[in-house]
Amino acid sequence: GENVEQHPSTLSVQEGDSAVIKCTYSDSASNYFPWYKQELGKGPQLIIDIRSNVGEKKDQRIAVTLNKTAKHFSLHITETQPEDSAVYFCAARGGTYDKVIFGPGTSLSVIP
Amino acid sequence: NAGVMQNPRHLVRRRGQEARLRCSPMKGHSHVYWYRQLPEEGLKFMVYLQKENIIDESGMPKERFSAEFPKEGPSILRIQQVVRGDSAAYFCASQDSYNSPLHFGNGTRLTVT
Repeated sequence: GENVEQHPSTLSVQEGDSAVIKCTYSDSASNYFPWYKQELGKGPQLIIDIRSNVGEKKDQRIAVTLNKTAKHFSLHITETQPEDSAVYFCAARGGTYDKVIFGPGTSLSVIP
Repeated sequence: NAGVMQNPRHLVRRRGQEARLRCSPMKGHSHVYWYRQLPEEGLKFMVYLQKENIIDESGMPKERFSAEFPKEGPSILRIQQVVRGDSAAYFCASQDSYNSPLHFGNGTRLTVT
């Protein structure tokens, strides 16, 4: 089945700097790659997603890139703010029955 | 349009008791996923259901755990004879079709004493 890896597990950046989180997936048939942000005590919230027919997608300070050949995708957050501090999860939809499998998460801290 | 509703938010059970976790998907959504999250860890897939059908339960332990999503009413994740290792946050997510985004509830935090 699908397996998703994510790096780094923790990331600290100064406010205003950029943050990059990278993920790899194993199932070449996977076709949908969402990113979620989870704040303490809450459920994950979808922040951006990309489908396999697109190489890059941007929404204000957030962008995601996808390299299908290498089977990896990345999240880029520019001009980080303290409220960006959270745990971020990448995911891939693939494998049997197209279920959504998550990476282990990245804890992002933005230092004011 | 209300989001995914999970209840209870917190559930305390003694070893050997049963835990029932409920999930009401977003209006119009007929697909439900259950995930389990241990402290400082990621979301582990448990089960994927559509109305009245279990599509994939490969992530769910074969003993003590069961899930259903009846034609009427919420989806239920049931854990029988709970043990301390079952303590975790359990999240439900719903979608309106297999190709659409997942929307998560705020989870049920189960503590087994």
